[in-house]
Order: sequence, then C-alpha cells, then structure tokens
Amino acid sequence: QVQLVQSGAEVKKPGASVKVSCKASGYTFTGHYIYWVRQAPGQGIEWMGWINTNDGDTNYAQKFQGWVTMTRDTSISTAYMELKRLTSDDTAMYFCARVGVVGSRAFDVWGQGTMVTVSS
Amino acid sequence: QSALTQPPSASGSPGQSVTISCTGTSSDVGAYNYVSWYQQHPGKVPKLIIYEVSQRPSGVPGRFSGSKSGNTASLTVSGLQAEDEANYYCSSSAVNYKLIFGGGTKLTVL
Repeated sequence: QVQLVQSGAEVKKPGASVKVSCKASGYTFTGHYIYWVRQAPGQGIEWMGWINTNDGDTNYAQKFQGWVTMTRDTSISTAYMELKRLTSDDTAMYFCARVGVVGSRAFDVWGQGTMVTVSS
Repeated sequence: QSALTQPPSASGSPGQSVTISCTGTSSDVGAYNYVSWYQQHPGKVPKLIIYEVSQRPSGVPGRFSGSKSGNTASLTVSGLQAEDEANYYCSSSAVNYKLIFGGGTKLTVL
C-alpha cells in the first residue's frame, strides 16, 4: 500500500543539526511532491517547505529559509529534511506528507512522524 | 506570514451540526481554491477530510463538508458523532506557492 516511513526519534543538543528521512513506497515517488511540516508538543501544525521529487526544486517557508534543506534521492524513493542550528524551540514532531491530487496542496498520505528533541 | 485564524474550540451534541471557520486574507484563502481540512485525534497523524475547499477524499463520510466565502473557509460536521471529537486544522495555498495552516480548533462532542 501507499506509505511514507520516516526515520526514528532523535535527541540533539542545541546548535546541532538533524536530518530526517522519509521513504516512500507503493507509488511512483517522482509523481508527487513531498511536504514537510512540524508540530510542537500541544501546538498546531507549521508548514516548513516542499520538494518537487521529480526535479528537486524546493520552496521553504520564510521562517526556515537559510536553515532548512530538503533533498531527495529518487534511486531509493526517499526525501530528506535537514534542520541546522537547533534550539529548544525546534523540539517537535516532524512529518513528511504527500500531495495526493496534483496541485491540490492537500496531503493524502502522511509519514508516522519523527520526534526531534533538542536538549542540553 | 501569520497563521490562518480558527476558533480555539467548538462543541455540539451528538446528532447536531457544527461549523468551524478558517479566516485568512486575499493573499491566501481568498485567492486560491486550495483550502484543505485535517482531522487529528490526540497522538495520531492528521487525516485529510476536505481538499480544494469542498472535495471529500474517498472514505470520508458525507457528514463532513467544506465551503468558502471571500477570505473565510468553513468546515461543517453534520450529525455529530462521538468519534468526531478531535482537533481540526485548515490549510491554504498562499502566494509564491507557500502554504499556511490555521491554529487548530478542538471540537468537543458534548
């Protein structure tokens, strides 16, 4: 079945970087954009950016420009999100999600989430 | 870019209808018909229930409907059921291919 499987939980120190992976299966990876969002404990959902899995084009939320990098490896149907210079405010669940209907900006399939904890 | 505005909470009794609003601006909700709604139960992954303002993915009950007027989108849940108690988030496309979410609404079934 169609699914996105993310890498496991991470614990990082302030100032470090984290790279989260999102492996797709059950569909043509390059046919759907992958978006990344995060959700701090007890908080709402925050959009971070997207990657065009076909050509690698990216678009980041203004807040994250300069410190997030989204990439993909089409040979293994995997998208990555790297966040640098972590602070405690970056403690959150990070999700990758697939846009289902092309152009709809709607996420029909989500990864299970990767908890990133930033603590000294 | 500020989040879309949703009421923090909403409630209704079983069988009733409840509507949740999602207010943006002429640069997001008002400009595009790419409003989506997600349902999230505590500790779970969000689930898409409405896309492109009013379209329902297969498998989503017809009790969920969406609409838009100007800069405000709305989600209506008719015939409330206990399992509808959850957090609901709207999202909208915005200028320069950005995306913006609402702050979320906690729906309580009384």
